[in-house]
Amino acid sequence: ELKVEQNPLFLSMQEGKNYTIYCNYSTTSDRLYWYRQDPGKSLESLFVLLSNGAVKQEGRLMASLDTKARLSTLHITAAVHDLSATYFCAVDRHNDMRFGAGTRLTVKP
Amino acid sequence: NAGVTQTPKFRILKIGQSMTLQCAQDMNHNYMYWYRQDPGMGLKLIYYSVGAGITDKGEVPNGYNVSRSTTEDFPLRLELAAPSQTSVYFCASSTGTWGYPNEQYFGPGTRLTVT
Repeated sequence: ELKVEQNPLFLSMQEGKNYTIYCNYSTTSDRLYWYRQDPGKSLESLFVLLSNGAVKQEGRLMASLDTKARLSTLHITAAVHDLSATYFCAVDRHNDMRFGAGTRLTVKP
Repeated sequence: NAGVTQTPKFRILKIGQSMTLQCAQDMNHNYMYWYRQDPGMGLKLIYYSVGAGITDKGEVPNGYNVSRSTTEDFPLRLELAAPSQTSVYFCASSTGTWGYPNEQYFGPGTRLTVT
């Protein structure tokens, strides 16, 4: 059964600091996705990672994928308050889409 | 484009009642999905569709039914509502070839309470 684990589940950061969110999954998968959710809102797509070694960057966020280790990371560089949100990774295997529990990120001044 | 729309935004049901959650997209996406999100949790896939006339079960399909007669619409039917179905329901759509969906676009959600 495909399982997706994220850690940490809660993350409190100071502005300007760097940190990494980890996403582990249990079986081989076709694709890995990262989404952002603001409180009380819907989800917004951040990245789609298609193959081993894939790296994508947008602003202060960078995502990478290691399919051999079944691991994806979301790295935050020089955090700012606007990045405060919940971040989800999701893994697809033959149309079976599974989400992690989410990492609730709070960036403090 | 309106993107993915969902109605209603909020609904309170009594135990045993039935209802249909509506979802529509105007992006001509072939994939459509229904998820539920319980408080403080990730999303769980209820049903998905890879195109009109084709639907399949996700991780938590019990108590729900879907149909997809057109590319645009993907309604979710709840029969005999139970308190365990209290949740926020999200509809999503994406492009992609079979087995390889692209990024999903999510609707605003429907908050359902069953009492």
